[in-house]
Amino acid sequence: QTVVIQEPSLTVSPGGTVTLTCAFSTGAVTTGSFPQWFQQKFGQTPRALIYATNGRHPGTPARFSGSLLGGKAALTLSSVQPEDEGDYYCLLYSGSVQVFGGGTRLTVL
Amino acid sequence: QITLRESGPTLVKPTQTLTLTCGFSVSDIGQAVDWIRQPPGKALEWLGVIHWDDDKRYNPSLKTRLTLTRDTSKNQVVLTMTEMDPVDTATYYCALGPNFQYWGQGTPVVVSS
Repeated sequence: QTVVIQEPSLTVSPGGTVTLTCAFSTGAVTTGSFPQWFQQKFGQTPRALIYATNGRHPGTPARFSGSLLGGKAALTLSSVQPEDEGDYYCLLYSGSVQVFGGGTRLTVL
Repeated sequence: QITLRESGPTLVKPTQTLTLTCGFSVSDIGQAVDWIRQPPGKALEWLGVIHWDDDKRYNPSLKTRLTLTRDTSKNQVVLTMTEMDPVDTATYYCALGPNFQYWGQGTPVVVSS
């Protein structure tokens, strides 16, 4: 079964920049994987941020950007704010089904 | 604004069948509805999707237990999962749109005898 891998945790300083990545256990992520990114703050429903690699949903701040980086999907947060702290999940399309990554806990400190 | 709401039992016994409903505020949405779950303290897991044309896809690990159906007259999608086990304890979400744009609040389900 397809496994999607994310960094378990990352820490960034307020105002800094951080990149989260999302990879298949085997094979490269491509635009055909239609990478999506979601943010989940503690106790809340997940919120869709990015779709189809780099499309921003309405309401997603411009400091969130999606890309492909070295065979992985990437989510870059620039000018990080304290409210960006939370869990981030990627979702990849593979073989007509969707697979979530294990999530990255982002700490702003 | 499109809203979704999951409903169903909060407690089921092992081996029982779970039935959850996802109701949405608009008719003829013409979009896919996905189901996702999240065990306490763990990651999101995609369960399956039902498209507007009734095409369905399921998580391979749950395919034999999971069924999604659509009731367009009631603006709802129904998830049925058989042979429930304590490891299925989770918050279950439905999401609407080709890119999971809209989510319900989630409904907690505990599997316990």
